[in-house]
Amino acid sequence: EIVMTQSPLSLHVTPGESASISCRSSQSLLNSNGNNYLNWYLQKPGQSPQLLIYLGSNRASGVPDRFSGSGSGTDFTLKISRVEADDVGVYYCKQALQLPYTFGQGTKVEIK
Amino acid sequence: EVQLVESGGGLVQPGGSLRLSCAASGFSITTYWMSWVRQAPGKGLVWVSYANNDGSTKTYADSVKGRFTISRDNAENKLYLQMNSLRAEDTAVYYCARHAMSAFDIWGLGTVVTVSS
Repeated sequence: EIVMTQSPLSLHVTPGESASISCRSSQSLLNSNGNNYLNWYLQKPGQSPQLLIYLGSNRASGVPDRFSGSGSGTDFTLKISRVEADDVGVYYCKQALQLPYTFGQGTKVEIK
Repeated sequence: EVQLVESGGGLVQPGGSLRLSCAASGFSITTYWMSWVRQAPGKGLVWVSYANNDGSTKTYADSVKGRFTISRDNAENKLYLQMNSLRAEDTAVYYCARHAMSAFDIWGLGTVVTVSS
């Protein structure tokens, strides 16, 4: 089973500033097809999770370009530029390379 | 509108059974793999099970293997999760999710399962 480790687990951000979340996997998520099988999700308070980023760096439909994913292999980063109040919630990374799919512990983002 | 709606959750005693349903609308599940994901109170997301397009391939998390069964009725556009021998640690919100672009692109609202005497 691939273990996903996020850091930090909590983040307090001032509106308008940037925030970054790190995600590391215990095995490389880079497939021979050149894709990194790493997703990012946001679960807003009281809501279901929603997909932000797929295949490491591709924004899902409707996701603002303030959100960007980067990294390859075992180290990945989600960057939120110009943080807004609506960005609060818990952010999860997830590996989609092999079953069982596994999530990181989650990073709670709050606004200062 | 593309959406998933779960139902069938509730309070059940340890050792009991429940059958969860996930109704899809706005798209045909025939085209997609589908999964169940759960979230215990105050905890993170845990993948539970998946079924491929026609249900011929199914995989389970070790924690539910032998107790849970995923199935799908493509004609009815529904996904199911039969849960037997339920334990307190199965208490969670259960979400169904659609696979696309190697991710879960659509999630349901969730249904709450509570296992308690």
